[in-house]
Amino acid sequence: EDQVTQSPEALRLQEGESSSLNCSYTVSGLRGLFWYRQDPGKGPEFLFTLYSAGEEKEKERLKATLTKKESFLHITAPKPEDSATYLCAVQAGSNSGYALNFGKGTSLLVTP
Amino acid sequence: GAGVSQTPSNKVTEKGKYVELRCDPISGHTALYWYRQSLGQGPEFLIYFQGTGAADDSGLPNDRFFAVRPEGSVSTLKIQRTERGDSAVYLCASSGGTTGELFFGEGSRLTVL
Repeated sequence: EDQVTQSPEALRLQEGESSSLNCSYTVSGLRGLFWYRQDPGKGPEFLFTLYSAGEEKEKERLKATLTKKESFLHITAPKPEDSATYLCAVQAGSNSGYALNFGKGTSLLVTP
Repeated sequence: GAGVSQTPSNKVTEKGKYVELRCDPISGHTALYWYRQSLGQGPEFLIYFQGTGAADDSGLPNDRFFAVRPEGSVSTLKIQRTERGDSAVYLCASSGGTTGELFFGEGSRLTVL
């Protein structure tokens, strides 16, 4: 059974304090690993897709990396507007269509 | 439309009542997904449509839940005899490309009293 585990559950950073969020996964035939951002009361917003180990993608202060067992979302010099819940999801070869299996998310709070 | 649209944004109902939640996907997207998200949890897969047909409904929790997509565009999630445990945010997503990226709506928050 596919499993996605995110850690930590919650993270509090001061503005400018860099850190990383972890997503560990077990899946049969990974098609892709996705990172989404979710603000309170909103739907998830797509950030990145990673397809193979060693791949990296960047967007502003965020960088996502992928190994065969886990993915990291690195946040460099975060700002208060980066506060949100970050969701990791896997798309497996056994999944119907492109259905995603999500972790529980990491709730990030960045204080001024 | 520009994005995935879901209505109503909020629905409060009483235990035992029938509820319909509507999703209007991004124009041209053939794949449509329903997810359910409880507080503090990630979205949980319910059902997937490819065109008009339900390609995978393995995530529906029981036979009180049903979804349709009669013309391959708008979809309706139907919940009969609602229970308090059905309270959650119901998210709809659509996909149309080969990248597998899902675009989500804002969700419909269902509260069963």
